[in-house]
Amino acid sequence: DGGITQSPKYLFRKEGQNVTLSCEQNLNHDAMYWYRQDPGQGLRLIYYSQIVNDFQKGDIAEGYSVSREKKESFPLTVTSAQKNPTAFYLCASSNRGSEQYFGPGTRLTVT
Amino acid sequence: QKEVEQDPGPLSVPEGAIVSLNCTYSNSAFQYFMWYRQYSRKGPELLMYTYSSGNKEDGRFTAQVDKSSKYISLFIRDSQPSDSATYLCAMSGPTSGTYKYIFGTGTRLKVLA
Repeated sequence: DGGITQSPKYLFRKEGQNVTLSCEQNLNHDAMYWYRQDPGQGLRLIYYSQIVNDFQKGDIAEGYSVSREKKESFPLTVTSAQKNPTAFYLCASSNRGSEQYFGPGTRLTVT
Repeated sequence: QKEVEQDPGPLSVPEGAIVSLNCTYSNSAFQYFMWYRQYSRKGPELLMYTYSSGNKEDGRFTAQVDKSSKYISLFIRDSQPSDSATYLCAMSGPTSGTYKYIFGTGTRLKVLA
């Protein structure tokens, strides 16, 4: 089955720790995206990558980092510099400009 | 002005009703239009997508795009309690050499049995 997988589903961390969220896709899509979803705020773009070894900041990139070493994989690191990291994180992929598909999400709680 | 406006609801309808969900947008460069269904604590699921103006039907769902009015709609016929979810509209178009995706904030729908 083609799709996007994210792991883990739930993640708990202490303040001050970096944490990496996994995203893998087997849709052969060129572009991959990370969004953050908070109640009442909709989806906000963190980072996106249109091609391997290249990525761009989205609207709220501060405190996050990414890499794109393989077409299938786009991991997101939430660093200790991110002031409010507790959120629902969604990974998505698409081909250029066409419909975007989402993964099941990772719920991160930082205490 | 936001690029996409979507009524947050909640919208409550009886089972079997026809549901109309809508979004307006401001950027005439948008070319692809999408509707997603999102259940609580799950990722958004792509329901419908259309390119440019017109209608598209898939089972109980119909998506309409009116580019002249910058208005898109999703109709759900014979609504079921399992349709209770948040519905997100989205659109994409070329911006400065890349494709930009913009999402509405979602409309919460409750279908009452």
